[in-house]
Amino acid sequence: DSGVTQTPKHLITATGQRVTLRCSPRSGDLSVYWYQQSLDQGLQFLIQYYNGEERAKGNILERFSAQQFPDLHSELNLSSLELGDSALYFCASSVSGGNTIYFGEGSWLTVV
Amino acid sequence: DQQVKQNSPSLSVQEGRISILNCDYTNSMFDYFLWYKKYPAEGPTFLISISSIKDKNEDGRFTVFLNKSAKHLSLHIVPSQPGDSAVYFCAAHPRGSQGNLIFGKGTKLSVKP
Repeated sequence: DSGVTQTPKHLITATGQRVTLRCSPRSGDLSVYWYQQSLDQGLQFLIQYYNGEERAKGNILERFSAQQFPDLHSELNLSSLELGDSALYFCASSVSGGNTIYFGEGSWLTVV
Repeated sequence: DQQVKQNSPSLSVQEGRISILNCDYTNSMFDYFLWYKKYPAEGPTFLISISSIKDKNEDGRFTVFLNKSAKHLSLHIVPSQPGDSAVYFCAAHPRGSQGNLIFGKGTKLSVKP
């Protein structure tokens, strides 16, 4: 158990819909990262937050957004969903300045 | 353009033998490298790491070697055990990137009893 908690574990939704994925980082970690893993793809970095502020942005679509709240939990919002958005979405966290990030178990999103 | 490449999608090894997983990178600004192990339906688990100022790091059965001139790193598992069967991801940390990692596509290791 990494200490990073993600909900929901599985989600099935229709095209055009909007979903929210939730993440609680490890106790004491200020940085939260979101990654996407599609079929046959590696882990693609989406976005990073540090203590409530956006720190870095990767290959995140404009239809996607995220935020980190004062209690440090984070949400990833995916809107106008398309079939190609079906993937495993991982949240990870790290201590301030740390190079090692710790992953949650992921949220499996299926868009039908 | 992939900055971190794992050119072998899969590897099969006999129990007790050595497993060698390889990773190549293109960006000379990477200052830290990590290996993660992932079982199906679970998140990646941190395994071992190495700073770019070192060429070897060992932790039990796992050793990571870094060849900066060749921009190549490898993970050695000795002896391999059936429980090591998983997907292994190589990851690199760009200097000054505040923590986000760049991952390879992974190598699926199968250790046969």
